[in-house]
Parts: sequence; structure tokens; C-alpha cells
Amino acid sequence: GIQVEQSPPDLILQEGANSTLRCNFSDSVNNLQWFHQNPWGQLINLFYIPSGTKQNGRLSATTVATERYSLLYISSSQTTDSGVYFCAVRSADGLTFGKGTHLIIQP
Amino acid sequence: DTEVTQTPKHLVMGMTNKKSLKCEQHMGHRAMYWYKQKAKKPPELMFVYSYEKLSINESVPSRFSPECPNSSLLNLHLHALQPEDSALYLCASSQVPANTGELFFGEGSRLTVL
Repeated sequence: GIQVEQSPPDLILQEGANSTLRCNFSDSVNNLQWFHQNPWGQLINLFYIPSGTKQNGRLSATTVATERYSLLYISSSQTTDSGVYFCAVRSADGLTFGKGTHLIIQP
Repeated sequence: DTEVTQTPKHLVMGMTNKKSLKCEQHMGHRAMYWYKQKAKKPPELMFVYSYEKLSINESVPSRFSPECPNSSLLNLHLHALQPEDSALYLCASSQVPANTGELFFGEGSRLTVL
């Protein structure tokens, strides 16, 4: 089946810093989603981005489907950005999640 | 606010109990999903319903019994669970065909089996 790798696995930053999270996938995908799981467990949709670039406030994402990767950018981090960021891809295998990036933003 | 609602938020049950988790969505989606998530792991697919019919069962033990009474509701009936079944159970929905559209998750039901 398709493999999804996220990096880095853990990231600790000071408030106000910028960060880039990466998602690599091993095969063609129908679409790709980025989620933020908050400390209470809720999975929040950030981007539905099979290709191209999208922006939403301090967050933006870029997917280069031909090169099989996606990037999530977080600018001017806030403590509420803490949590786990998951990349999930849709393929013939269904929806496959990466293992996530655990982000901690310190005040 | 999430448009997929799950109840209860927390559930504690003994191994001999029978309980149910409930999920409701009003986005007009015709595909609904149950996922199980253990601590520090990504969600794992359990079941997929498409047009109220079970389309995917990921070899889930029979002590978990899903039910889709109508296009807006999804239940997960629990019976004779084991302590290792303790986890966060997430419901999700999407447009059909399943496994192609954007997935929307509920807040989850955190289950503890004693």
C-alpha cells in the first residue's frame, strides 16, 4: 500500500516562530488533507489540497503531486497552534494517514 | 464548530457492559466512517458506510457492531470489550464515492474499558 511519511516527528518552537512541516507519499493520490489534532483529540480540517497552493490566515500549504510531497507552513506561531499535525492521502487504498508531527509552541 | 457530532464525549464501561457510540452529520454526506485512535498514533479505519450500506470492514472484531439507521446517523454498538479497546473513537463523513472526497471528523468519543 501507499506509504506516507511526515517530518519532523517532533518540533518545539517559541511563540512567533515560523515552521515548515513536510509530507512525502510513495504513489499517486486522489487528494491530500492536512489536519490539526488539538489536545482534546478533535481533528480539525486545515486544507484539502490535491495540488497547488492554498492559504488560510497564518497557514498555507503546497502540494506538488508530480513530486509526491506536500508542505504545511505555519507563520507567527501561537501557543494554540500546539498539537499534532497529520497529513492524510486518498488513493486506491483509501485514506492513509502519516504518523504526524507533534508541535509544541512555547510562550 | 464541527458539523459532525459525536456522543458521548467520554464513556467508561466494564467488560460485560453493552453501550453505543452515536454520530450525526447534517452536511448531506452519504459516506460515513468509524476510526479508532490509540495514544500517539494516527487514526485507523474500522468501517465505511456508503449510501447506508456497509462497504468496508477492516477486519474489526465482532464485539464492535456498526449500524447506519439513515443517511445522517451512524452508531457503533459495543459489547464484551477488552481493556485494549480503550481509545478515541472518531466518526467522519464525506461525499460519495467514499474514499475520494474531503473527510470531516467529529470531536471523538473517548472510551475507557475497565
